[in-house]
Amino acid sequence: GNSVTQMEGPVTLSEEAFLTINCTYTATGYPSLFWYVQYPGEGLQLLLKATKADDKGSNKGFEATYRKETTSFHLEKGSVQVSDSAVYFCALRLTGANSKLTFGKGITLSVRP
Amino acid sequence: DTEVTQTPKHLVMGMTNKKSLKCEQHMGHRAMYWYKQKAKKPPELMFVYSYEKLSINESVPSRFSPECPNSSLLNLHLHALQPEDSALYLCASSHVDRVVGQPQHFGDGTRLSIL
Repeated sequence: GNSVTQMEGPVTLSEEAFLTINCTYTATGYPSLFWYVQYPGEGLQLLLKATKADDKGSNKGFEATYRKETTSFHLEKGSVQVSDSAVYFCALRLTGANSKLTFGKGITLSVRP
Repeated sequence: DTEVTQTPKHLVMGMTNKKSLKCEQHMGHRAMYWYKQKAKKPPELMFVYSYEKLSINESVPSRFSPECPNSSLLNLHLHALQPEDSALYLCASSHVDRVVGQPQHFGDGTRLSIL
C-alpha cells in the first residue's frame, strides 16, 4: 500500500534558524508529492508540490526536492519566522480516477522570537 | 484566503439534533471531498464526489449523509451523532485527477462539538 512517514515532533526552533522536516514515502506507483501547512484554527493550505523525480517545489522560502532514489521529500527553509509556527503534513497522491491523498502524521513546528 | 468556503465555522449540537454542514467552491473543480480531522492528527477521508456522483465512501456510519446538489456545492447532513464525532470537518475540492499532480484545495473547516 501507500504510506508517508514523517519525523517525530514537535519541533521548536528560534527565529532565523534553519529548518528541515523529514518525509519519506512508499507507493505502489509513481506519486505526486505535497506539503500542506495548517495554521491554528484553519484548514490545510497547499505549501508546495512536486510531480516527478528531481522536481523542486518552492513557496514562501520553503523548498522540497522529489528524491526517487531515497523515496524522500524533505522540507527545508533557510530562516524560519514566528509566523511559520504551524502543523506541517507531507502527502502523496497517485494519478488516476478517485486516487486518494495519503497523509503523514504531521509535525508541529513552534518558532520562538 | 481560502477559495473553498465552509459554513458554519462552529457548530454545537445534541445527539438527537439534525444539522447540515455546507461547502462551496467556484474553481470549476469536479471532485469534492469530506474529511474528518481530530486534534493533532491528519485528516481522514470520509467521502469523495466525482462529477456530482458519490465515488468513495470510506465505510462512514450512516449518521453522516453526504449530498452534492451541483458542481459547486457539497453538503454533509448529520443526524444522531455521538460524542466521538466531535472533530473538525474539512471540505476539499480538486480537478478530477487525469492530470498528474492535481492538489486538493481545503476550506477552513467546521468545528463540530456533540454534547
